[in-house]
Amino acid sequence: QVQLQESGPGLVKPSETVSLTCTVSGGSIDSRSFYWGWIRQSPGKGLEWIGYIYYTGGTYDNPSLKSRVTMSIDTSKNQFSLKLNSVTAADAAVYFCARAVTSYRSGWSPYYLDVWGKGTTVSVSS
Amino acid sequence: EIVLTQSPGTLSLSAGERATLSCRASQRISTNYVAWYQQKPGQPPRVLIYDASSRATGIPDRFSGRGSGTDFTLTISRLEPEDFAVYYCQQYHASPFTFGPGTKVDLK
Repeated sequence: QVQLQESGPGLVKPSETVSLTCTVSGGSIDSRSFYWGWIRQSPGKGLEWIGYIYYTGGTYDNPSLKSRVTMSIDTSKNQFSLKLNSVTAADAAVYFCARAVTSYRSGWSPYYLDVWGKGTTVSVSS
Repeated sequence: EIVLTQSPGTLSLSAGERATLSCRASQRISTNYVAWYQQKPGQPPRVLIYDASSRATGIPDRFSGRGSGTDFTLTISRLEPEDFAVYYCQQYHASPFTFGPGTKVDLK
């Protein structure tokens, strides 16, 4: 079955950019049936939706992150990535990558998240 | 942005009891595009219910969802020991696809 695995630096300095990658195995990322997304969870807190990217490169973004987010997709490597710039302590969290279902029934908008990675922790400290 | 409010914040129950969790939206969700997720410590969330009332693959039938408009409910008919966890609702009606703050179901 499809599995997602996040990778990233673990520790990043304030004001720098954190880059995370999600590697998808057991299925192709080059599919019109799914969006690929990022969700984060600050320590002891709830879930915050960051954004989705489609195989075409089209994205849905969370305005609350004020354009600090860049998402990309590499179908040749079966990976997608997140870059978050100008990080602060408030960006310290567990970052999950996940898959969102879509279909013609929703007009090819994202549905619910059906597969998640285990998450990777990002700490922010100088 | 659609804001989701979940209540109660914590639900203290015993195994075998019925749990009723609420998710209220700040705007009408005409499509019923609401999902419920379960999260246990140290694990990613797992989808239980989508489209407000459809059970995801492999989810036991003690989990059920209902609702429409602005009010949605997740019911666990008889709590099993493995059901003590945090539950989140999410709307995918309109971007940004927001989550509620969660309801923790813990052991009384």
